[in-house]
Amino acid sequence: GAGVSQSPRYKVAKRGQDVALRCDPISGHVSLFWYQQALGQGPEFLTYFQNEAQLDKSGLPSDRFFAERPEGSVSTLKIQRTQQEDSAVYLCASSFQAGGNEQYFGPGTRLTVT
Amino acid sequence: QKEVEQNSGPLSVPEGAIASLNCTYSDRGSQSFFWYRQYSGKSPELIMSIYSNGDKEDGRFTAQLNKASQYVSLLIRDSQPSDSATYLCAVNPNYGQNFVFGPGTRLSVLP
Repeated sequence: GAGVSQSPRYKVAKRGQDVALRCDPISGHVSLFWYQQALGQGPEFLTYFQNEAQLDKSGLPSDRFFAERPEGSVSTLKIQRTQQEDSAVYLCASSFQAGGNEQYFGPGTRLTVT
Repeated sequence: QKEVEQNSGPLSVPEGAIASLNCTYSDRGSQSFFWYRQYSGKSPELIMSIYSNGDKEDGRFTAQLNKASQYVSLLIRDSQPSDSATYLCAVNPNYGQNFVFGPGTRLSVLP
């Protein structure tokens, strides 16, 4: 079946621009996670949704980062006024249930801020 | 102290050998543990999950968990050059639903 999809795969933004990254999870998966991965590092947690509810946003690095999942399916991660330190790969993962179940990752969006 | 630690490597093994990858974690209440493989420029791919102390085998892969020692390992038998990748250890901590990842160990299997 279809896996997690993300778009765009690559995004170049000038410093100060706003960007929106999209994630389409595996159909029927309740939980959706966003992670940020810097080069040579493991993914770092940003935020978590269970259906449409954002239950944990403790990993969002600043108030420039905002995520939503209004209908409990597709999610969008928005970054306002991008900075160079926002350059990273943004990974979306989904899980059938909550509570430490296996997470399946999308291909990621590589964001480069110039 | 980082929550999940791994040797960054690179770990080099000859083709056909056993590769042993190790991971330690700090949250004693963690219940779920995962190994992901990540090829360069690609996203993490789930290899194994383990929830109970002991060994879990799947093909050439064996995950080992020791909660008392807060230690998880992954053994890859009959290593192949196609196993060359970064292996990420992920832990679901007691305090949340997310995973905490280690920095990854880069494995190189030499033909």
